[in-house]
Amino acid sequence: EVQLVQSGAEVKKPGESLRISCKGSGYSFTSYWISWVRQMPGKGLEWMGRIDPSDSYTNYSPSFQGHVTISADKSISTAYLQWSSLKASDTAMYYCARHGRDDRQDAFDIWGQGTMVTVSS
Amino acid sequence: DIQMTQSPSTLSASVGDRVTITCRASQSISSWLAWYQQKPGKAPKLLIYKASSLESGVPSRFSGSGSGTEFTLTISSLQPDDFATYYCQHHQGTFGQGTKLEIK
Repeated sequence: EVQLVQSGAEVKKPGESLRISCKGSGYSFTSYWISWVRQMPGKGLEWMGRIDPSDSYTNYSPSFQGHVTISADKSISTAYLQWSSLKASDTAMYYCARHGRDDRQDAFDIWGQGTMVTVSS
Repeated sequence: DIQMTQSPSTLSASVGDRVTITCRASQSISSWLAWYQQKPGKAPKLLIYKASSLESGVPSRFSGSGSGTEFTLTISSLQPDDFATYYCQHHQGTFGQGTKLEIK
């Protein structure tokens, strides 16, 4: 089964660092880009950025450039989203999603289950 | 950056109704438009890609059309399972703000 499995919910304090993960299985991890998507409580979907796991090339939305870092370890088929200093406004559900190929090119055909990040003092 | 604008933001309808959601792009995106369904507490699910191609396993009552800057998602006969929030997306990443489909 093709799937993306994300790490569990996190509760952090402002200023702390965090890295969440997204592990792909059932397909060739290096053959498909991975994106990260934010959903703040009660709000819509926001594309944050993407990574090519084959060479770790990244591309960020201007809204998130400099605020988060996307990385990947192809040896363990895992992509990461990390913050160096969290803010309360980072409280949200974060999804990873696989980019489709061919006619599905860059449509998000497989999604992780989501990781809830809560930042509160 | 390309902006995606959906309308309406909220839509009230009944089981059996035919409904249409519109998505406009700030510049031409050819046919690179996807539609997703999201239910509360769940990850989004791909319904339509490349404007009009139905994802495997998605019921045929869902259809998409359009190209360039104007796109539509149509549900031909609403079923109870269809009440959810729908998002359009330019294949490169940008999402519309969502349309919540509610029971009338």
